[in-house]
Amino acid sequence: SYELTQPPSVSVSPGQTARITCSGDTLPKQYAYWYQQKPGQAPVLVIYKDTERPSGIPERFSGSSSGTTVTLTISGVQAEDEADYYCQSADSIGTLWVFGGGTKLTVL
Amino acid sequence: QVQLVESGGGLVKPGGSLRLSCAASGFAFSDYYMSWIRQAPGKGLEWVSYISSLGDTINYADSVKGRFTISRDNAKKSLYLQMNSLRAEDMAIYYCARALYITGAYYYGLDVWGQGTTVTVSS
Repeated sequence: SYELTQPPSVSVSPGQTARITCSGDTLPKQYAYWYQQKPGQAPVLVIYKDTERPSGIPERFSGSSSGTTVTLTISGVQAEDEADYYCQSADSIGTLWVFGGGTKLTVL
Repeated sequence: QVQLVESGGGLVKPGGSLRLSCAASGFAFSDYYMSWIRQAPGKGLEWVSYISSLGDTINYADSVKGRFTISRDNAKKSLYLQMNSLRAEDMAIYYCARALYITGAYYYGLDVWGQGTTVTVSS
């Protein structure tokens, strides 16, 4: 089965930049998507097609891609950004979708 | 407004069955791929299944293949998940979600999510 690998946790101070990575063999060929999930809530899409930001998502959220790794960057982190973040992609032919294990972002 | 509302969760014994439903409103349901995603207590998200807009393309995660069946009724703007031979590891919050549809192209990113329905598998 196909897997995406994320660090379990990332910690930053308010106002600093948080970077959350996601690695997978098919990421050079398949788009990645990022979701934010706060406790007791459904996930929210924050980045689609590697780098695009849905309407309503703050500009401090951005995405990038390089080889087998995609990165979610949150610039000027705010306390409200503390949440779990998940990447999502697909296998090489796009038939099986997969989520990364999730990264807990802590704002110190 | 665009909304997805799941129902049908509950307590079921191991080996039992359950049918989840997801009612869509506020958008052209028949234009969109739809998906089920689950989240076990304290765990991460797990993709379960998706179905194409017309229901002619369906795929499942290996963990549920042969036990779960996804379907849709576009006239009723509803998505379903029939779950058979349930196991303890199927216990989770089940979310339905809408896949992205941008200028005529489909993508597997999920831009609208319901609030989820809880499935408990226990004797």
